[in-house]
Amino acid sequence: GAVVSQHPSWVICKSGTSVKIECRSLDFQATTMFWYRQFPKQSLMLMATSNEGSKATYEQGVEKDKFLINHASLTLSTLTVTSAHPEDSSFYICSARGWGETQYFGPGTRLLVL
Amino acid sequence: GENVEQHPSTLSVQEGDSAVIKCTYSDSASNYFPWYKQELGKRPQLIIDIRSNVGEKKDQRIAVTLNKTAKHFSLHITETQPEDSAVYFCAAHRGSTLGRLYFGRGTQLTVWP
Repeated sequence: GAVVSQHPSWVICKSGTSVKIECRSLDFQATTMFWYRQFPKQSLMLMATSNEGSKATYEQGVEKDKFLINHASLTLSTLTVTSAHPEDSSFYICSARGWGETQYFGPGTRLLVL
Repeated sequence: GENVEQHPSTLSVQEGDSAVIKCTYSDSASNYFPWYKQELGKRPQLIIDIRSNVGEKKDQRIAVTLNKTAKHFSLHITETQPEDSAVYFCAAHRGSTLGRLYFGRGTQLTVWP
């Protein structure tokens, strides 16, 4: 149990385009979902926390207009990187939490902006 | 906010030896401490966790100890195997409704055959 999927697993796009990443909890209801960014050989950097049906809480320094988060249901959250630029290239990982404290991670999405 | 420090950043051991990774945290309100293993290019996977009302927890070759007074917790891996090679992250949870985790910087463990 506690499986989290993420789609797509990798995406290459041109500078200026928008990219949407989906995160789904497959076998449990996620009361909270988290979006992280990870640079090579570095730790997980929390970008935002989202609860179903409410606005996401962004970490300091993360542009909410740049990284749009929607948590429309208890099993789906989406992250849209708007007007992507090469500096947005990174590994984006979501995690989901049910009623306990444990977070389960998705497989990640590797984004390359040309 | 919470601050989690993790040491060492890299650790190399011979197969069969033990490995110990240590973390400290700053917020005494933190009450849940998971450890994640991340292989290259893959998702972090929970390997063990401990809550603040417990001092030690063991699962086969993996154990975690927690010292609430000193605000530190450690991961112990015994009889290491090459497949244990990965990056290990410790984390602390403050118990708020948002439930965010504060991660350490990670430890690259390499187990040589």
